[in-house]
Amino acid sequence: EVQLLQSGGGSVQPGGSLRLSCATSGFTFSRFAISWVRQAPGKGLEWVASIGGGLGRTTYYADSVKGRFTISRDNSKNTVDLRMTSLRAEDTALYYCAKFHTDGSFRHFDYWGQGTRVTVSS
Amino acid sequence: NFMLTQPHSVSESPGETVTISCTRSGGSIASNYVQWYQQRPGSVPTTLIYEDHQRPSGVPGRFSGSIDSSSNSASLTISGLQTEDEADYYCQSYDSTNHVVFGGGTKLTVL
Repeated sequence: EVQLLQSGGGSVQPGGSLRLSCATSGFTFSRFAISWVRQAPGKGLEWVASIGGGLGRTTYYADSVKGRFTISRDNSKNTVDLRMTSLRAEDTALYYCAKFHTDGSFRHFDYWGQGTRVTVSS
Repeated sequence: NFMLTQPHSVSESPGETVTISCTRSGGSIASNYVQWYQQRPGSVPTTLIYEDHQRPSGVPGRFSGSIDSSSNSASLTISGLQTEDEADYYCQSYDSTNHVVFGGGTKLTVL
């Protein structure tokens, strides 16, 4: 059974940093790209970042987080992290990690984590 | 880059059929596959349709997807509406630089 279990998150002041983690199981982790998707309170889904399979040398970021967020993976632990710095109030959201359906593809998601809340407020 | 535009909300009665549109601005809707996700209140999104019209195992045949190049849009059609279909629905695609694009979401109310 495929599982994505998220941890991290919490409350932080503007300008602060947080790290989210997504621990996976039930599939050959190294073969699949993983994304982070967020959802601000009462709003829609917004893609944040993706990391390719393999060594994870291919990373992609939404313009809204580029230069502030870093996505990384550890194939020995089957985990993907999202390091968030210079956090802003508009980064407040429920963050999901999500697995892409097909190895080598960035087309669509088939499994999602349970979500972890990030609140940026003074 | 491109945007996907969905109606903010739709409503229909149980047993009826509803169609939710997703219009692409910038480039052809046929250039990249479109997916549809359902998100019930307080729940994680789940895939209803992938690659324009494919249904994952376990998704009822009441849900179908299509694309229309003339209107440059994708559509999700739900037939035989049930109260449990009341949810938010999101279309999603991706661009040539592997950036994921979501539509703004449509709230379906089953009256």
